Amino acid sequence: GQQLNQSPQSMFIQEGEDVSMNCTSSSIFNTWLWYKQDPGEGPVLLIALYKAGELTSNGRLTAQFGITRKDSFLNISASIPSDVGIYFCAGLLGNAGNMLTFGGGTRLMVKP
Amino acid sequence: KAGVTQTPRYLIKTRGQQVTLSCSPISGHRSVSWYQQTPGQGLQFLFEYFSETQRNKGNFPGRFSGRQFSNSRSEMNVSTLELGDSALYLCASSSLTSTDTQYFGPGTRLTVL
Repeated sequence: GQQLNQSPQSMFIQEGEDVSMNCTSSSIFNTWLWYKQDPGEGPVLLIALYKAGELTSNGRLTAQFGITRKDSFLNISASIPSDVGIYFCAGLLGNAGNMLTFGGGTRLMVKP
Repeated sequence: KAGVTQTPRYLIKTRGQQVTLSCSPISGHRSVSWYQQTPGQGLQFLFEYFSETQRNKGNFPGRFSGRQFSNSRSEMNVSTLELGDSALYLCASSSLTSTDTQYFGPGTRLTVL
């Protein structure tokens, strides 16, 4: 099925490092959402973006809705061990109900 | 407010059987969407129900069906199970407007043997 292009697919983090990930699409979306999923659980909403150009923060997390409406990024500052997990971006067109299109996910792991 | 609940959490079935999964949305939410998550295909939209009507449908065969009740609870059914139906099935609920965010339940892990 259609997916957003999310990168990187995986990355190792060291405590205290900043982390960046992004999503791009060939289609326009009216809403961008960022979720985190821990093993065996459902995705948990981190940040919702509703307007092109919007920059929104949630604690150490900051996300932006791209001006073209075809991309979004998520930054995590000063990472901590509990940031480990899989992060998903999702786009919502909004004019035809609540059908989310998801990115393939970015897996954050801790550097040994 | 209680979150989205899904039952059962785990299920093991054999090929050819059918299965019914249940989802109770957040109180006051009237939209319920279902997604399938597999390692190969990622998270894919199955269908959405709003006020007991299917509002959107993803690209899945007719063996996948669902319904919504007047209290907004939803069920999805998969008939004639195939090995490839093994997945985490996630339910998400949202309130009235289309641009509202979706909140996910913990999922039902279905294993088809």
